[in-house]
Amino acid sequence: DVKVTQSSRYLVKRTGEKVFLECVQDMDHENMFWYRQDPGLGLRLIYFSYDVKMKEKGDIPEGYSVSREKKERFSLILESASTNQTSMYLCASSLGDRGPYEQYFGPGTRLTVT
Amino acid sequence: AQRVTQPEKLLSVFKGAPVELKCNYSYSGSPELFWYVQYSRQRLQLLLRHISRESIKGFTADLNKGETSFHLKKPFAQEEDSAMYYCALWAQKLVFGQGTRLTINP
Repeated sequence: DVKVTQSSRYLVKRTGEKVFLECVQDMDHENMFWYRQDPGLGLRLIYFSYDVKMKEKGDIPEGYSVSREKKERFSLILESASTNQTSMYLCASSLGDRGPYEQYFGPGTRLTVT
Repeated sequence: AQRVTQPEKLLSVFKGAPVELKCNYSYSGSPELFWYVQYSRQRLQLLLRHISRESIKGFTADLNKGETSFHLKKPFAQEEDSAMYYCALWAQKLVFGQGTRLTINP
């Protein structure tokens, strides 16, 4: 059974802080993704990675960066948190080959920036 | 550009009634479509994908290329179907719709 874990379920940070969201998957998946989930907007892709040390911008990368030093771990970084980054953040992983494989999601991190 | 539209943010039906969650897409290529579901306090998970043509938990979805639609249907709703449903299109990455919150009333 695929397991995707995220480091925190809830996080409260102040404006301007640097924030790290960690995601780990245990099924040797090549692909990993970061989304934010907002009511009425659905899921929007922030960044994704098809391999270690690879990263590609999604639809809303501004204000975010990512790191993938190991295959199983994909980190999302908010360089200077702002209130409009208050959201639910979902990590996902899938098999490789850039194909339309099922994505397995983590439980989410609800981030509040005050 | 690729786009997925779910016109209903909220949908409420009675237990035992038919359910249809609408999904329309815009894509110039050959579409690969999915429905994902998120039950209360659970993680988002795949419900079904059109290529497999399966029926999962009594739900089916047919791809209609002429109408560019992939509506999700179930003939008799159950209370445990209450959840958030997302339609998604594969276009070199997954593109999600805005989601529909389905509530089944007893």
